[in-house]
Amino acid sequence: DGGITQSPKYLFRKEGQNVTLSCEQNLNHDAMYWYRQDPGQGLRLIYYSQIVNDFQKGDIAEGYSVSREKKESFPLTVTSAQKNPTAFYLCASRDRGRQETQYFGPGTRLLVL
Amino acid sequence: GQQLNQSPQSMFIQEGEDVSMNCTSSSIFNTWLWYKQDPGEGPVLLIALYKAGELTSNGRLTAQFGITRKDSFLNISASIPSDVGIYFCVIAGGTSYGKLTFGQGTILTVHP
Repeated sequence: DGGITQSPKYLFRKEGQNVTLSCEQNLNHDAMYWYRQDPGQGLRLIYYSQIVNDFQKGDIAEGYSVSREKKESFPLTVTSAQKNPTAFYLCASRDRGRQETQYFGPGTRLLVL
Repeated sequence: GQQLNQSPQSMFIQEGEDVSMNCTSSSIFNTWLWYKQDPGEGPVLLIALYKAGELTSNGRLTAQFGITRKDSFLNISASIPSDVGIYFCVIAGGTSYGKLTFGQGTILTVHP
């Protein structure tokens, strides 16, 4: 089945630690996105990538980093510079030409110990 | 930046009731979307609206793109327990990279 997978489902981070969230898609989509969701708020864009080896900052990129070495994969690293990392992180991908239809993964919930 | 105001923030209804929620923006947009997020999952596109005044249905869901292009409405008829979740109005921002801007969401709870 085609789709987007994110792992792990839950992730715990200690203070000062970097953690990496995985996102893989087998939909052959060029564009991929990372969003952050906090309670009572909509999704906010962290980073996006329109093509392999290229990525751009979204609205709240500070404290995060990404890479896009393969079309299928778009991992997100939450660095120690992100002071409030506890949130639900969602990865999405989009088919070229269908701007409105982003397909989302099941999400990773990050908790700080 | 672009702002969407979605209301109500939450709704508690009985199974079988109809539901209405709406969204307004400070700017004009050409594409309005409604997404639903089931508990613990990622959002899924329900309805896309492309033309001012357009009324579109998807089963028990009906959405309208406001004539001013600054608002949209979503109605759910005869609600059932699986309608539970968060409903987001979303605007497609007209950028080349497919930017979506999400409203704050309406949390829907349906009592059997």
